[in-house]
Amino acid sequence: SQQGEEDPQALSIQEGENATMNCSYKTSINNLQWYRQNSGRGLVHLILIRSNEREKHSGRLRVTLDTSKKSSSLLITASRAADTASYFCATDASGVMRFGAGTRLTVKP
Amino acid sequence: EAQVTQNPRYLITVTGKKLTVTCSQNMNHEYMSWYRQDPGLGLRQIYYSMNVEVTDKGDVPEGYKVSRKEKRNFPLILESPSPNQTSLYFCASSFGGLPVGNYGYTFGSGTRLTVV
Repeated sequence: SQQGEEDPQALSIQEGENATMNCSYKTSINNLQWYRQNSGRGLVHLILIRSNEREKHSGRLRVTLDTSKKSSSLLITASRAADTASYFCATDASGVMRFGAGTRLTVKP
Repeated sequence: EAQVTQNPRYLITVTGKKLTVTCSQNMNHEYMSWYRQDPGLGLRQIYYSMNVEVTDKGDVPEGYKVSRKEKRNFPLILESPSPNQTSLYFCASSFGGLPVGNYGYTFGSGTRLTVV
């Protein structure tokens, strides 16, 4: 069963624009993680935010967490063509890490 | 280089023929896990292991077996593969401890399995 659900399913933007992806989850969590996947390849860990944190930055990435709304957002600023990939959120629930179905981001040069 | 290594990368097999997908990590991680990825369904966890000789079922364990005899290895076994097990499989590892999501996961490159 999926815990996180990403929104939108697909997003297409021009290079230089910002990209925002959202994740909603159903049960209380300890941590939330974001991953990136290039087509058919393994997932790469981007950032982890703990339930007592509200915002975290890593380079061009900004993640927010709202535990009252059970939601998180991933912002990629000044996007590049190389950011084209699928992005997944993952949450821990009942001792298991569960991933959503992902947002497919396309950045056009 | 710190990595999770899966083999094989691609595999085509016939229904009922037992197969094993290997997974090995060189980071001394306690936690290891297997996922399958299917279009529109995201990643679903098959089995996970908190440490040597400790394994537990994920969300979709039916038709799969695992073992954890050594810390670095976590093979996935399909005793009698069926076409509905055609999928992209990923092994992942992480530092251990609870809660399970306390550290990021390192993923292997994936194994694309086709069962005909």
